[in-house]
Amino acid sequence: KQEVTQIPAALSVPEGENLVLNCSFTDSAIYNLQWFRQDPGKGLTSLLLIQSSQREQTSGRLNASLDKSSGRSTLYIAASQPGDSATYLCAVDDYSGGGADGLTFGKGTHLIIQP
Amino acid sequence: EAGVAQSPRYKIIEKRQSVAFWCNPISGHATLYWYQQILGQGPKLLIQFQNNGVVDDSQLPKDRFSAERLKGVDSTLKIQPAKLEDSAVYLCASSLDLVLTNTGELFFGEGSRLTVL
Repeated sequence: KQEVTQIPAALSVPEGENLVLNCSFTDSAIYNLQWFRQDPGKGLTSLLLIQSSQREQTSGRLNASLDKSSGRSTLYIAASQPGDSATYLCAVDDYSGGGADGLTFGKGTHLIIQP
Repeated sequence: EAGVAQSPRYKIIEKRQSVAFWCNPISGHATLYWYQQILGQGPKLLIQFQNNGVVDDSQLPKDRFSAERLKGVDSTLKIQPAKLEDSAVYLCASSLDLVLTNTGELFFGEGSRLTVL
């Protein structure tokens, strides 16, 4: 059974710093990995999706990497801003051979950017 | 492009009562998912539909939860009778058919927050 772990559980940094959020998963047979952002009381917003054959994806100040063999992904946020404050969730899509099976999520990293 | 729509946004009921949640996915998305997110946890998949057929409902508590997607578009999730531990946010998500898109990217609605007293 796939398990996803995110470290740290919470992080508070001053505005302007670069930061890294970590995600690890136990079964490397994945179809893709997605990073989501969740604001309080809101649904999930997809940030980046990395296919199993890819090593990284970039969108603006965000960069996500994937090392499937070691079961790890990182989300790098450059020049953090107070608006980046949210919970960041990592999720993997297991591949059973019949298509995507739905996502397995970590518990998230609660990020606070101090003005 | 309209996103995934869910209603109601909030619902408070007493234990043993019933509740239903509705989801309208993004137009053209063949796959629809219902997730349960308990406070402080990541979402957990309850059921996955491909068009109007169930792909995976292995984590759905079938003694009290049911879901349907009769015409392959809208879906409803029902809980009857509700228990205290069902208090959570119920998230609906949709994605394009993997054959068409080959990415599997999921798009989520804002969720329905259930409080069971």
